[in-house]
Amino acid sequence: LAKITQPISMDSYEGQEVNITCSHNNIATNDYITWYQQFPSQGPRFIIQGYKTKVTNEVASLFIPADRKSSTLSLPRVSLSDTAVYYCLVGDGVTDSWGKLQFGAGTQVVVTP
Amino acid sequence: NAGVTQTPKFRILKIGQSMTLQCTQDMNHNYMYWYRQDPGMGLKLIYYSVGAGITDKGEVPNGYNVSRSTTEDFPLRLELAAPSQTSVYFCASSWGLEGTYNEQFFGPGTRLTVL
Repeated sequence: LAKITQPISMDSYEGQEVNITCSHNNIATNDYITWYQQFPSQGPRFIIQGYKTKVTNEVASLFIPADRKSSTLSLPRVSLSDTAVYYCLVGDGVTDSWGKLQFGAGTQVVVTP
Repeated sequence: NAGVTQTPKFRILKIGQSMTLQCTQDMNHNYMYWYRQDPGMGLKLIYYSVGAGITDKGEVPNGYNVSRSTTEDFPLRLELAAPSQTSVYFCASSWGLEGTYNEQFFGPGTRLTVL
């Protein structure tokens, strides 16, 4: 199983860029890297997914180095509404591996004015 | 679309009692999942299903049972509740294809306390 490590918390000011790095040393060849956002008393919500290099969508970017042993979620110009817990998920969709999907422990991001 | 719905929202059980957590999705997803989230922790997969009639264990299945008789429903059964099962339970679904990982849609969660 991929051991997943991410910072417990990060603080930022509005308008700054926030970068959260997830370490997954034992990532398998078929594993994807996915990030979710969770607000209090809600279920997680998908942000972005990647396999290698860089992926960008309307809310975030995901940077994955060539060795894929880590990944960095980048949130550009955060606002107060980005205060949430961010989870890194490593796993693949091969049928017999679904039970090995692993979420990291989560990073609490607090954005202040 | 309602997405993924879960009932009840809250429940208090006594040790040894049984209950079923209900989960329904209206997105015609083939994959469904049950997770538990302990305070300050990440999510741990309990059981998952790749289609009606097919279920399998996740990382922490002990003390739980599931069934999947329809595409829409994926109930989670606790037979003999224990204090260690105090947690928030999330159901999720996705459209899964073998060899890929697809976005999971989560329900609002059920907060369960076992006393």
